[in-house]
Amino acid sequence: AQSVAQPEDQVNVAEGNPLTVKCTYSVSGNPYLFWYVQYPNRGLQFLLKYITGDNLVKGSYGFEAEFNKSQTSFHLKKPSALVSDSALYFCAVKDMDTGRRALTFGSGTRLQVQP
Amino acid sequence: DGGITQSPKYLFRKEGQNVTLSCEQNLNHDAMYWYRQDPGQGLRLIYYSQIVNDFQKGDIAEGYSVSREKKESFPLTVTSAQKNPTAFYLCASSSETGVNQPQHFGDGTRLSIL
Repeated sequence: AQSVAQPEDQVNVAEGNPLTVKCTYSVSGNPYLFWYVQYPNRGLQFLLKYITGDNLVKGSYGFEAEFNKSQTSFHLKKPSALVSDSALYFCAVKDMDTGRRALTFGSGTRLQVQP
Repeated sequence: DGGITQSPKYLFRKEGQNVTLSCEQNLNHDAMYWYRQDPGQGLRLIYYSQIVNDFQKGDIAEGYSVSREKKESFPLTVTSAQKNPTAFYLCASSSETGVNQPQHFGDGTRLSIL
């Protein structure tokens, strides 16, 4: 079975400060990992993914994520937060080695960036 | 523009009524998905389809039904057997040419009970 945990319901950060949104995962095989962002009453927008290769993945809007296999983590980061980054962020995983093609999502973390 | 269109944006259901949510995509994607979003619970998979005329149950399929008669369309019916249907429903699609392709999402349908 595959699962994802986002331990923080909400993260607060001041504009201009670095931000981190945490994600840990569990799969029986090797993971595909994704980050999505959701604005109010909208669908999810893809930010970035890890498939294989470099552990630091760069994505849209200046976001990046670091894959850590030993800690089974895939934390989302940004060096300098913007007020417009305030949204709901979801981590998702797919086990590369099982037949299930659908993603499993975490419960989401609300990011609040204060001006 | 290519994308996924969900309709209606808001839907109200009466007791004992079945309602159908529409999802259409023009991305030429093989796979399509339905998720239910409740506050604090993230997205939960209802049904998914990897090819026309085939679909599989997800984690919370009870009280829902789907069809996949065309590649572009994947409607979801919320039946009267679903006792707690109030939620935000999201449709997604992805290319199956590479299993690592991200899913693209529509803007959702918010379903409420009258």
